This record gives sequence, C-alpha cells and structure tokens, in this order.
Amino acid sequence: DVKVTQSSRYLVKRTGEKVFLECVQDMDHENMFWYRQDPGLGLRLIYFSYDVKMKEKGDIPEGYSVSREKKERFSLILESASTNQTSMYLCASSPGITDTEAFFGQGTRLTVV
Amino acid sequence: GENVEQHPSTLSVQEGDSAVIKCTYSDSASNYFPWYKQELGKRPQLIIDIRSNVGEKKDQRIAVTLNKTAKHFSLHITETQPEDSAVYFCAAIDYDKVIFGPGTSLSVIP
Repeated sequence: DVKVTQSSRYLVKRTGEKVFLECVQDMDHENMFWYRQDPGLGLRLIYFSYDVKMKEKGDIPEGYSVSREKKERFSLILESASTNQTSMYLCASSPGITDTEAFFGQGTRLTVV
Repeated sequence: GENVEQHPSTLSVQEGDSAVIKCTYSDSASNYFPWYKQELGKRPQLIIDIRSNVGEKKDQRIAVTLNKTAKHFSLHITETQPEDSAVYFCAAIDYDKVIFGPGTSLSVIP
C-alpha cells in the first residue's frame, strides 16, 4: 500500500509567520505534488516536482515555495503566511510513469490568524 | 494554463437512481483520466480511470466514457446508494502534470 504522510493534520499560524508543510511518501515515486483545496474551487495545483531538486510551478504558486532535497520528501513553504492562505493542503505522489494515478496524503488544514 | 471543467457542481439523486458527472479538458495531449472520490474528512481516492485508447470502462456500478475528439469524459453511477455520497473529482493527465476539475458534491437521498 502506498503511503503518503503529511506531518500535521491541523495547523494554526499567525500572519507573517514562516510555515513548513511536510510530505513524505514511501513508494519511491518520482513525482510529488502540492494542492490546495477550497470549497467550490476543487484541487488547485501549487507546485509539483518530478525529481529531486526539480520543481515546477502549478497554477497558483504565488506566496509559496517548495523544496525537494530527497526523493521521498516534498516540503511546501509559506514564506510569510497570510489569511488568504487558510485552506486545506493536500500532498500527492505518483510513480512518474505516464498514465498512473496520484496517491494523496490525509491533508493539512491550515488556519492563518 | 490547462484546465478541467466539471459539471454539475452539486447533484442530488434518490437512492437507486443514476448519477452522471461530466468533465471537459483543454489539453489535447492529455491521455489519462482518473476519477477520485473524497468522502467527508478523508483523502481523495481513485475509483476508476480510463486511458485515451479506450472509449468506455465499467466496474460494477461505476462506468466512465471518453470522447477524445470532443475532449470530454463522464462518470456514470448506477443504482446509487447512500455511501456514494461524496465529492467526486475528475482529472486529466498529460505525462506528469495532474489537473483536477473543481469537484461535484453528490448527495444520495435514502
């Protein structure tokens, strides 16, 4: 069974704080993704990575950065958290071969106050 | 950028009726189309998928159809049950990039 684990289920941070969301997968997947999920907007891609130290912007990268120093770990960084970044954040991974599904973590609900 | 549209955004059906959710994608290079179900408070999980060389796929009460020319694909759930109530996401994949539709909240009324 593929396991994608996000470090926190719930987080509350203050405006202006630097926030790290961590994601680890145990299946040697090449690709990893960060999405945010908001009511009515579905899953929007923030960043993805197809290899160690490689990253690509998704549809809404502003205000976020990512780090992939090791294959199994993909971190999402909010340099200076703002209230409009309050959301559910979902990490996912996929094998990196064409035509394969993505496996999701359990999500982190971040509240910025 | 590439996008995926999904309709309807909400859907209520009586138990036993059928439900149909439709998605349209913009990237003609997309070649893999999974559907995910997300129950309340849980992570999205794959329920069925279809590849670009197939027009239809069925798995018990769930089926997916694909029209590559028109760039749309649909999820069909027959004989709906209360446990089918969830948010359903379609996705279109072009090699590595996974783009999701905005989701459909399905309610099955007993």
